[in-house]
Amino acid sequence: DIQMTQSPSTLSASVGDRVTITCRASQSISSWLAWYQQKPGKAPKLLIYKASSLESGVPSRFSGSGSGTEFTLTISSLQPDDFATYYCQSRETFGQGTKVEIK
Amino acid sequence: EVQLVESGGGLVKPGGSLRLSCAASGFTFSNAWMSWVRQAPGKGLEWVGRIKSKTDGGTTDYAAPVKGRFTISRDDSKNTLYLQMNTLKTEDTAVYYCTTAQTTVTTRGDFWYFDLWGRGTLVTVSS
Repeated sequence: DIQMTQSPSTLSASVGDRVTITCRASQSISSWLAWYQQKPGKAPKLLIYKASSLESGVPSRFSGSGSGTEFTLTISSLQPDDFATYYCQSRETFGQGTKVEIK
Repeated sequence: EVQLVESGGGLVKPGGSLRLSCAASGFTFSNAWMSWVRQAPGKGLEWVGRIKSKTDGGTTDYAAPVKGRFTISRDDSKNTLYLQMNTLKTEDTAVYYCTTAQTTVTTRGDFWYFDLWGRGTLVTVSS
């Protein structure tokens, strides 16, 4: 199975900050990577698929990049609604999650 | 409205069984490849298994921790997905989510992502 490693595990940031989360795959997955946002008590929400395609309805401040084994999720200007946990995923494997907290 | 609604969760003793249901609406369920994903309390997301559409064979795949104990099935006439869970263990305690799995078949295998999620149903395995 593919292993997915996210970093950092926790990130403290302020409203307006540019935030970057990294996900590394144990083997090349081309562009087959998705990103999700999850808030406490809620189901995950798809943000990005195929590494850089923005899901319909997701704000344009979210963007994804990368291919092969290294991927990033960027939030260009952090908004109050963005404080949540973010997961990457490819095939059957999810990353361990990155919690974005208020600084 | 496009949605998935899970039901059937609850408290069950170790070794017991439970069947979860997921009612789909607002899209052509029979064409969809479906998955179950779970999340133990305070933990990350874990894929449980998937079922292909009947036109694509209707076959199932499972994660190693549940293989041989859990069975995924579907009733396209009722737009419903099921997860039969047998020989439950305390480590199966989790919120179980029903999802659609957008899948691309490549020469290197299938790759998928989960675009539609239900709200989840809590399964607690405890004596």
